[in-house]
Amino acid sequence: KNQVEQSPQSLIILEGKNCTLQCNYTVSPFSNLRWYKQDTGRGPVSLTIMTFSENTKSNGRYTATLDADTKQSSLHITASQLSDSASYICVVSDRGSTLGRLYFGRGTQLTVWP
Amino acid sequence: EADIYQTPRYLVIGTGKKITLECSQTMGHDKMYWYQQDPGMELHLIHYSYGVNSTEKGDLSSESTVSRIRTEHFPLTLESARPSHTSQYLCASSNSLGEQFFGPGTRLTVL
Repeated sequence: KNQVEQSPQSLIILEGKNCTLQCNYTVSPFSNLRWYKQDTGRGPVSLTIMTFSENTKSNGRYTATLDADTKQSSLHITASQLSDSASYICVVSDRGSTLGRLYFGRGTQLTVWP
Repeated sequence: EADIYQTPRYLVIGTGKKITLECSQTMGHDKMYWYQQDPGMELHLIHYSYGVNSTEKGDLSSESTVSRIRTEHFPLTLESARPSHTSQYLCASSNSLGEQFFGPGTRLTVL
């Protein structure tokens, strides 16, 4: 069964600190993996997208890694800011259908305190 | 920010009412989607469309219906709302690379 599991479920850190969010998936055949940021009451916004051959991709203070062999990804946030408080969702796409089916994790709820 | 819009943003209605959630995008995308999301839970696909006059049901069974008469417009309708329909509804469209862009969502509460 295709699944995406994220950990931790929630995380509280102090402003300026770094943190790492984890994503494990069983989706096959794998096409790509995306990290989205979803602010409360808003739609998800894409942070990074990684294909099978990519190991690391950065977007400002966000760095995503992908290990396609172990089917794991991480999102590292550097020097956190209050505006980083949001839910971070890992989304994996398969290439087994024309639709490019997306499998969503439940997200990690990050809270950054001053 | 993506050019995809949803109205209303918030809606509180009584049981039995008919409602239509609007979604429009100005990016010319053929593929559009409706997702349902409960607090702390993952998004579930309820409807999708490959283009005009094309609509399909998603993974999660839903009593809602959709239509796609114009490329830019993908409204979702509930003929008779019930408390179990209370949720957040997210509309999305995707480009030729399969990257999805989401609207801000409609938070629906049925009393």
